[in-house]
Amino acid sequence: DIRLTQSPSFLSASVGDRVTITCRASQDISSHVAWYQQEPGKAPKLLIYLASTLQSGVPSRFSGSGSGTEFTLTISSLQPEDFGTYYCQQFNSYPLTFGGGSRVVIK
Amino acid sequence: QVQLVESGGGLVKPGESLRLSCAASGFIFSDSYMNWVRQIPGKGLEWVSYISTSGTSMFYADSVRGRFTTSRDNAKNSVFLQMNSLRAEDTAIYYCARGPKYFGRLYSFDYWGQGVLVTVSS
Repeated sequence: DIRLTQSPSFLSASVGDRVTITCRASQDISSHVAWYQQEPGKAPKLLIYLASTLQSGVPSRFSGSGSGTEFTLTISSLQPEDFGTYYCQQFNSYPLTFGGGSRVVIK
Repeated sequence: QVQLVESGGGLVKPGESLRLSCAASGFIFSDSYMNWVRQIPGKGLEWVSYISTSGTSMFYADSVRGRFTTSRDNAKNSVFLQMNSLRAEDTAIYYCARGPKYFGRLYSFDYWGQGVLVTVSS
């Protein structure tokens, strides 16, 4: 199974900060990664797919990059509504797997 | 608009069975891959199962293979998860999630239901 390791697992940042979350895969997964944001008590929301394609309706401050085994999700200017937990997910092979999550809190 | 509504959750004893349903609307259901994802409250996400558009191909997480079965009824725009031999560790919120077909493959889950709680306890 492909293991996804996210870092950091927790981060506290101020509004306007640039935030970067990393997702490392245990083997080459090409660009087959998606990123989600989950607010407490809600279902996850798709942000990015195929490593860098922004989902329709998602603000442009979110961006994704990477290929192979290392991927990043960047929020260029953190907004109050960006709190929550962020997950990466690989679609390269079954079983599909998620990273452990990165919790973002607003200072 | 796109809606996915899960039902069928509840409290069951270890070893018992439960069948979850997910009713879809607002998109062409028969053109979409469907998945189940679960989450222990306060913990991370775990993919559970996938079913192809036609319902002829399924994949499962190792933790549920042989106990859970996913199926779909394209005429009724619904996907199901039959859960047998339930264990305490199956206790979680279960989400159904749509996977759009993109160049013939699955690359994301773009719509999710609100989730349904399954509790397995004696």
